[in-house]
This record gives sequence, structure tokens and C-alpha cells, in this order.
Amino acid sequence: EPEVTQTPSHQVTQMGQEVILRCVPISNHLYFYWYRQILGQKVEFLVSFYNNEISEKSEIFDDQFSVERPDGSNFTLKIRSTKLEDSAMYFCASSEALGGGLTRGQYFGPGTRLLVL
Amino acid sequence: RKEVEQDPGPFNVPEGATVAFNCTYSNSASQSFFWYRQDCRKEPKLLMSVYSSGNEDGRFTAQLNRASQYISLLIRDSKLSDSATYLCVVSYTGGFKTIFGAGTRLFVKA
Repeated sequence: EPEVTQTPSHQVTQMGQEVILRCVPISNHLYFYWYRQILGQKVEFLVSFYNNEISEKSEIFDDQFSVERPDGSNFTLKIRSTKLEDSAMYFCASSEALGGGLTRGQYFGPGTRLLVL
Repeated sequence: RKEVEQDPGPFNVPEGATVAFNCTYSNSASQSFFWYRQDCRKEPKLLMSVYSSGNEDGRFTAQLNRASQYISLLIRDSKLSDSATYLCVVSYTGGFKTIFGAGTRLFVKA
């Protein structure tokens, strides 16, 4: 069964450093997403990406964040200057389109646990 | 008002019980509706999509009431393996923005 993969599984970084989280979505999916989940809290939408551009982003997704699809398979999230409060689990997800503005449910990767010290 | 609200839980039920979760959403432009389950420290996994009047998948039944902006999930004949957090999810603006509820924790006991 196709699955979303993410690397690394864990990342420890110093405050102020840049991190890049990587994802390989399911191959025939067209919609890509990043979420974060702070320990003990709910899953929070960060950004969606379609047709090589950002479709929607939340208030969390400020200028410190960027996304890129550098080739036909990878989808990355970059945090330019990490803060302590960026410590969280980051999930990538992908989905198919159904047309008419509807999508199928999203399939999530196993996540990258980011710890900022 | 939160965009997606769920029963706070936790729900503690014996094996074989029927349990129902409720969810309300505030944005009337919401277009797609889903239930996910999340095990501790794992990724959310899609359980069911709810597109119109609801649907059933084995022991699971999901209902949608657009007029009341209300979604429900019914689990019949609960199994120990159903123990998890159940997340209500709505999408709008063509599926590009997705909002998760805080989840309802379910414990099924032998």
C-alpha cells in the first residue's frame, strides 16, 4: 500500500538554526500539506500546496516558514530560524482531488519530531 | 467559538459497547468532512470520509447534518483495538485548508 514517508524521524537543533523537513507524498496525489502538533495539543494546519504553489496557509506559517517541491517526489518544509516554540511533531500529508472543490481524505506520514534547544 | 468542537471525553466503555462521538463546526462554507483516529504519538489515520448524508463502514457509521453543522461517529461492538483519540476534521476552500478538532479520547476495556 502506498504511504507518505518523512525524514528525519527526529531532529534536534539549536535555537536560531535552520531546519529542513522532508516528505515524499504518495505518487499520484496532487495536494500536499504540512501540519504540526505540539505535545498534548491538537493537530494544527500550517500550509497546503497544489500545482507548485501555496494554496492556503495559516497564521502560524509566517515568514520563517517556507515550502518547496524541488523535484517530482519530494516536498519540504524549511524553518529558517528556529525558536523554542517550534518544538513539535511535524506531519506531512497528501491527498487526491475529487473535483468540484472536494478532496479525498489526507494520508499522513509518520512525522518528524523537532526539538529546539 | 472554535472552528471545530468535539466532545471533550475521555469515554471509558466496555468491550462490545456502542459509543457515539459528536462534532460541530462553525464555518458554513465547509465542504468535506472526515473522521480520523490517532494513536498515542502516532500520525492521524483516515477512518472515514463523510460527504453527504453519511456513510457506514463495518462497525462505524458517520452522519452529517449540514443544516445544524454537526457530524457524528458511531462505533458499534467496540473492540480493545478501538482505543484511540478520534479526530473530527473539516476542509474548505476546495480542500486546501483543513481544521482538526481537539479529539475525543476513547478507552475500551475488557
